[in-house]
Amino acid sequence: NAGVTQTPKFQVLKTGQSMTLQCAQDMNHNSMYWYRQDPGMGLRLIYYSASEGTTDKGEVPNGYNVSRLNKREFSLRLESAAPSQTSVYFCASSEFGGLATGLAKNIQYFGAGTRLSVL
Amino acid sequence: AQKITQTQPGMFVQEKEAVTLDCTYDTSDPSYGLFWYKQPSSGEMIFLIYQGSYDQQNATEGRYSLNFQKARKSANLVISASQLGDSAMYFCAMRDTNTGNQFYFGTGTSLTVIP
Repeated sequence: NAGVTQTPKFQVLKTGQSMTLQCAQDMNHNSMYWYRQDPGMGLRLIYYSASEGTTDKGEVPNGYNVSRLNKREFSLRLESAAPSQTSVYFCASSEFGGLATGLAKNIQYFGAGTRLSVL
Repeated sequence: AQKITQTQPGMFVQEKEAVTLDCTYDTSDPSYGLFWYKQPSSGEMIFLIYQGSYDQQNATEGRYSLNFQKARKSANLVISASQLGDSAMYFCAMRDTNTGNQFYFGTGTSLTVIP
């Protein structure tokens, strides 16, 4: 029972380098998310995909791009990494997407995280 | 404005005692959900318990219960009979229909269980 799988687990980049964080879920969920976690700030949403073929900005999208490759996979790309992007990145998925009364239970299930350092 | 506020950066509890972790929220939407997640030192985020705004009773899941006070906009997590394995960060989160898919997380409370 893999759930949500993120790769890599650790990464060190130099300023200006690019990289893609991969995420895959095997729960047949419609919605997927990318968060970053910084000390003392909880988790903040970067981008999300309510369903295959759609993506939307979250709270902190600057410096990132995403691709919903198919229903299972949602990748996060840093085109030109900056030290301010040093963080722990989490991918999550949930069954439902979109605005709908009564779907507030929409539990998000998380991957194990990627610890990224930008020097 | 902060949608979720957790005012206790750190808490200590004796093993086998109960502990309450505070969470207050801010929303004008009558339909919303409140969630608690546990993050042990290994880093993964583990879903613990959910409370819907229309739920008549407080949610319970094993040793976890949620003290939901709607008028006060609080959703405190109660852990009964604490165990050493409960030592972790605990995050409160909210989703409402105004924000659609977006979860808003609090800054977390670090719980340490003392033997």
